[in-house]
Amino acid sequence: SAVISQKPSRDICQRGTSLTIQCQVDSQVTMMFWYRQQPGQSLTLIATANQGSEATYESGFVIDKFPISRPNLTFSTLTVSNMSPEDSSIYLCSGLAGRNTQYFGPGTRLTVL
Amino acid sequence: ELKVEQNPLFLSMQEGKNYTIYCNYSTTSDRLYWYRQDPGKSLESLFVLLSNGAVKQEGRLMASLDTKARLSTLHITAAVHDLSATYFCAVDINSGYALNFGKGTSLLVTP
Repeated sequence: SAVISQKPSRDICQRGTSLTIQCQVDSQVTMMFWYRQQPGQSLTLIATANQGSEATYESGFVIDKFPISRPNLTFSTLTVSNMSPEDSSIYLCSGLAGRNTQYFGPGTRLTVL
Repeated sequence: ELKVEQNPLFLSMQEGKNYTIYCNYSTTSDRLYWYRQDPGKSLESLFVLLSNGAVKQEGRLMASLDTKARLSTLHITAAVHDLSATYFCAVDINSGYALNFGKGTSLLVTP
């Protein structure tokens, strides 16, 4: 199994600023992903975090808004740039351990004023 | 575009009763997942279903997969209050392991 931690757990930010969320896995995982869960909604995939190369973004998400890094097999960051109130969400990272089991972090609850 | 539909979206049931949550998906997929989410918490993995006819059980929950019908079910047997949570099914996108989630079923079990 894998245990995933995220920092910060929550934050309140001002419009126009940026926030970087960190995701740490306690063991090596083959793949890492970032999702967004808006209040009362399901999860939407933002991007696949690729080790040592640019992330792969889903439709509707762009690198300038959500830059992602993954320098090694156990760590990734997601930055939410130039924030607006519409970015208020829970951001979750996940890691694939083995071939079939995907574990999720506890999430970062972001409120943008 | 892969679509994942769950129903019902809301379910209130009495303790001791049985019920089934349905998950339909629109295109072929290699893996189907069921997750549980408690309020304010992250997702807990319940089941991973990999092949047609797969059935997995844990306690009062049983999940099955029919890949031909593109349908998975999560059956609840003799519900108890502790099962109250939101249940999500998810299907991997283009065999790339990233997941496409259903909207979730919010389950409330009452005495």
